Amino acid sequence: NAGVTQTPKFQVLKTGQSMTLQCAQDMNHNSMYWYRQDPGMGLRLIYYSASEGTTDKGEVPNGYNVSRLNKREFSLRLESAAPSQTSVYFCASSDVFGQGIFQPQHFGDGTRLSIL
Amino acid sequence: AQSVTQPDIHITVSEGASLELRCNYSYGATPYLFWYVQSPGQGLQLLLKYFSGDTLVQGIKGFEAEFKRSQSSFNLRKPSVHWSDAAEYFCAVGRGFNKFYFGSGTKLNVKP
Repeated sequence: NAGVTQTPKFQVLKTGQSMTLQCAQDMNHNSMYWYRQDPGMGLRLIYYSASEGTTDKGEVPNGYNVSRLNKREFSLRLESAAPSQTSVYFCASSDVFGQGIFQPQHFGDGTRLSIL
Repeated sequence: AQSVTQPDIHITVSEGASLELRCNYSYGATPYLFWYVQSPGQGLQLLLKYFSGDTLVQGIKGFEAEFKRSQSSFNLRKPSVHWSDAAEYFCAVGRGFNKFYFGSGTKLNVKP
């Protein structure tokens, strides 16, 4: 009963280092998402993948890249980490039955990332 | 512009008291509406959703929400709060191709 699994759970980086956050879902969902959560700002969408083989920018994509490795896995990469990217990162997945037909998103437990 | 507003950053209620968390959205058409709850150190869990039909929707853990088109609101309610309800609550709106926009959240504290 894993749902959405994120690794690692915690990470501390130095400015300029690179890192990849991993996400995997076992619910056979088509769509996957990466959000960041900052105090007082709710969740903001970084990138999403509507289906395997596609990715699109969300609200705050600058400084990030993503890869939809297969239907299960969607990774988020910070090429050159900056202190402004200190945040909690959430991966989510959902099923999609067409444009405008929403299904709820299922969230992982988050990755707490600090950049010094 | 698209926005979801949760005007209350923190709310404190006594255990057993009723609860109402406010959510307002700004869109032209009826959006898809959701409430999520986040316990400390956890991800978000769906409480309930509104797509169409009956404007009063029931969710898990005894929560309900009412969609009011005239007020562009989707407030979350619970008749009697339990200490385990202490958490942060997020209202979200769905637009476009499965894209969600979240409010900034309301932290609920429950007094014994």
